[in-house]
Amino acid sequence: ETGVTQSPTHLIKTRGQQVTLRCSSQSGHNTVSWYQQALGQGPQFIFQYYREEENGRGNFPPRFSGLQFPNYSSELNVNALELDDSALYLCASSIKFSTGLGNEQFFGPGTRLTVL
Amino acid sequence: AQKVTQAQTEISVVEKEDVTLDCVYETRDTTYYLFWYKQPPSGELVFLIRRNSFDEQNEISGRYSWNFQKSTSSFNFTITASQVVDSAVYFCALSVPPDKLIFGTGTRLQVFP
Repeated sequence: ETGVTQSPTHLIKTRGQQVTLRCSSQSGHNTVSWYQQALGQGPQFIFQYYREEENGRGNFPPRFSGLQFPNYSSELNVNALELDDSALYLCASSIKFSTGLGNEQFFGPGTRLTVL
Repeated sequence: AQKVTQAQTEISVVEKEDVTLDCVYETRDTTYYLFWYKQPPSGELVFLIRRNSFDEQNEISGRYSWNFQKSTSSFNFTITASQVVDSAVYFCALSVPPDKLIFGTGTRLQVFP
């Protein structure tokens, strides 16, 4: 069984640019969540996609957007990059059979984004 | 407000010592889940345990044990006979609608030989 994979591993961008991060969910999982982890902090919830629709969003501005594809893989797009966007971006996949809580989320290795 | 507090920023122990990582949470929901994750230097979060709000039984898994007390809103994690491989950052997290995880700031555990 293939786990959650993310690409690229590392990325360097300059302020004002746009970036797309990719995530392949674990086989059979229908839900993808994205988290931002700044250095020395815990991960912060960005948003979640369930069956290709956004299913909740954290306190992040609209320039953070996402997509989930029919094969349940996902993209995170960030426009107009700011220095504070430098962080580790983690993708997590899970199986959600309803709108229930507590589904175990399996995390990928993350993408380290540096904004100069 | 929903919040997870891990007051211990960093803990250092010598191998074979027991160590307890504290976690205090806040939520008004009556149904919720609590998690512990381990983050080694590689960065990937590794699932350790999930507990729902209706199950206050303590759990033991090998050298790991968890103590869940709703009365004090705590979900503490104990490693018995710590090993160097236990060195990592440990996160406590609360699952709230729509099944998002709210993480604490983490506790960095360093186990020295």
